[in-house]
Amino acid sequence: GAVVSQHPSWVICKSGTSVKIECRSLDFQATTMFWYRQFPKQSLMLMATSNEGSKATYEQGVEKDKFLINHASLTLSTLTVTSAHPEDSSFYICSARWPRGDGEKLFFGSGTQLSVL
Amino acid sequence: SQKIEQNSEALNIQEGKTATLTCNYTNYSPAYLQWYRQDPGRGPVFLLLIRENEKEKRKERLKVTFDTTLKQSLFHITASQPADSATYLCALDRASGYALNFGKGTSLLVTP
Repeated sequence: GAVVSQHPSWVICKSGTSVKIECRSLDFQATTMFWYRQFPKQSLMLMATSNEGSKATYEQGVEKDKFLINHASLTLSTLTVTSAHPEDSSFYICSARWPRGDGEKLFFGSGTQLSVL
Repeated sequence: SQKIEQNSEALNIQEGKTATLTCNYTNYSPAYLQWYRQDPGRGPVFLLLIRENEKEKRKERLKVTFDTTLKQSLFHITASQPADSATYLCALDRASGYALNFGKGTSLLVTP
């Protein structure tokens, strides 16, 4: 099966600093990756669709200048939370499409728990 | 807009019994529906996908049904084990692209 690696698993930062989260597809090429956010006891909410070599597509209400997404290669997408504030504290999860056969299924990273003090 | 409803109350069952989880949706006709498992502090793991023209799908102890008239999917785990304890998420395709919309999930606890 496909493996999606996400780092770091958790990060604690001070308010106003920026945090970068990496998402890698280890054994397949992912032209499309998705970034989700999940608050406790809530569903996963799609933040943006990351396309290799082009600009990300953000969901309504998600600030693209605050959540910078870069998908520079077929195996790596990064999410940078700029000038983080306590309300940005959440569980961030990336996912990638399986590129063959059932392309509809998604493979997820292990998630990053961000705590902003 | 698309709405996905899963029973928010935790489901507690005894080991060996069959667990049945429900996913209802409104305002949409999905081309396919998926079920994922999520453990605390982890990303979801894909379990099963069922398409709109399929009534039922099985994988080992798992079974999914899809009723497009009722706009409902049922997810069954037979001969449940304590290791099956987790949150199970229902997900639907979106009108465009390959991203998914997820329900809040139902927490399953299987006790010995």
